[in-house]
Amino acid sequence: ETGVTQSPTHLIKTRGQQVTLRCSSQSGHNTVSWYQQALGQGPQFIFQYYREEENGRGNFPPRFSGLQFPNYSSELNVNALELDDSALYLCASSPRLADNEQFFGPGTRLTVL
Amino acid sequence: AQSVAQPEDQVNVAEGNPLTVKCTYSVSGNPYLFWYVQYPNRGLQFLLKYITGDNLVKGSYGFEAEFNKSQTSFHLKKPSALVSDSALYFCAASPRGANNLFFGTGTRLTVIP
Repeated sequence: ETGVTQSPTHLIKTRGQQVTLRCSSQSGHNTVSWYQQALGQGPQFIFQYYREEENGRGNFPPRFSGLQFPNYSSELNVNALELDDSALYLCASSPRLADNEQFFGPGTRLTVL
Repeated sequence: AQSVAQPEDQVNVAEGNPLTVKCTYSVSGNPYLFWYVQYPNRGLQFLLKYITGDNLVKGSYGFEAEFNKSQTSFHLKKPSALVSDSALYFCAASPRGANNLFFGTGTRLTVIP
């Protein structure tokens, strides 16, 4: 059974650019959540997707957007990058919407210069 | 505001000694409670969760956690620490029926040989 995978591993962008991060959920999981983990902090919830629709959002501006595809993989898009967007972005999948046990990927380290 | 607190940034313990990593929460209702561990350059790995029932929850790698409703605490424990337990530990809470996890800021555990 393949776990949650994320790509790329590392990414460097400049302020004002746009970025797309990708996540493949664990086999059989239909729910994907995205978290931002700034240096020295705990992860913060960005949003969750269930069966291709957004199902909850944290306190992040609209320039953070996402997609979920029919195979339950997901993308996180961030427009107009700011320096404070530099963080580890974690994707987590769950087998069921009501199951709060989430399985995390290794993350994508985004650096904004 | 909903929050999870981990009052200790750093915990040091000698190998073979018992360890405790503290967590308190301020989340509405009777939340689900979790502990995750993070190794360098890795995502979060699930250790254990409390849903209902016994206040002592047993998890992976010999870890357990004690739920105390009156103190709104969920402390992580292990009877005998190993050097390989050295890592960053996160406590998290999720309101029942919600779809996101609130994380603490993490506690770095160092087990000294």
